[in-house]
Amino acid sequence: NAGVMQNPRHLVRRRGQEARLRCSPMKGHSHVYWYRQLPEEGLKFMVYLQKENIIDESGMPKERFSAEFPKEGPSILRIQQVVRGDSAAYFCASSPDSGGEETQYFGPGTRLLVL
Amino acid sequence: AQTVTQSQPEMSVQEAETVTLSCTYDTSESNYYLFWYKQPPSRQMILVIRQEAYKQQNATENRFSVNFQKAAKSFSLKISDSQLGDTAMYFCAFSGNTGKLIFGQGTTLQVKP
Repeated sequence: NAGVMQNPRHLVRRRGQEARLRCSPMKGHSHVYWYRQLPEEGLKFMVYLQKENIIDESGMPKERFSAEFPKEGPSILRIQQVVRGDSAAYFCASSPDSGGEETQYFGPGTRLLVL
Repeated sequence: AQTVTQSQPEMSVQEAETVTLSCTYDTSESNYYLFWYKQPPSRQMILVIRQEAYKQQNATENRFSVNFQKAAKSFSLKISDSQLGDTAMYFCAFSGNTGKLIFGQGTTLQVKP
């Protein structure tokens, strides 16, 4: 049973470009969470999605950031017009159901570097 | 709002010895879940142990155990017989009704040979 997959593992973008980060949850998991880890800090929640629905985007910056989890295919975190402050590790996690009792399993992360 | 605090930025321990990492949290919820995750140099987030708040018995996973003090809102991790492979950053995390994880700032643990 494959774990949570994320790609690319490393992504380099110049200021003003777009970054697309992909996450495929574990088989049988329909809930996806995105977290961001700035250097030397803990992970911060960004957004929680189920298939075709955004459940909680309270941690997502209001501008330039968007996320989706279509009926078919991976979840996508999209960052438009990237700035240097977007440089971070972005982690995706999945769980089989909703609620705090469900353990979230993490992917390996995508390291975004903005030049 | 829930908060999670890890007051020890760095710790070290000799191989084969025992070390305890501290974590405190704040919440008004009565039912919640607590986790310890490990992040080795590869930066993969690995679940170490979880605790349900409604359970009085402390969780144990092999060499890892927790001391859960609900009234004090404390959730420490004890690592027995430390191994070199335990060297990593350890994050304490809280999950309530919403399902999202709230993480502490992390503790970097160095196991010395």
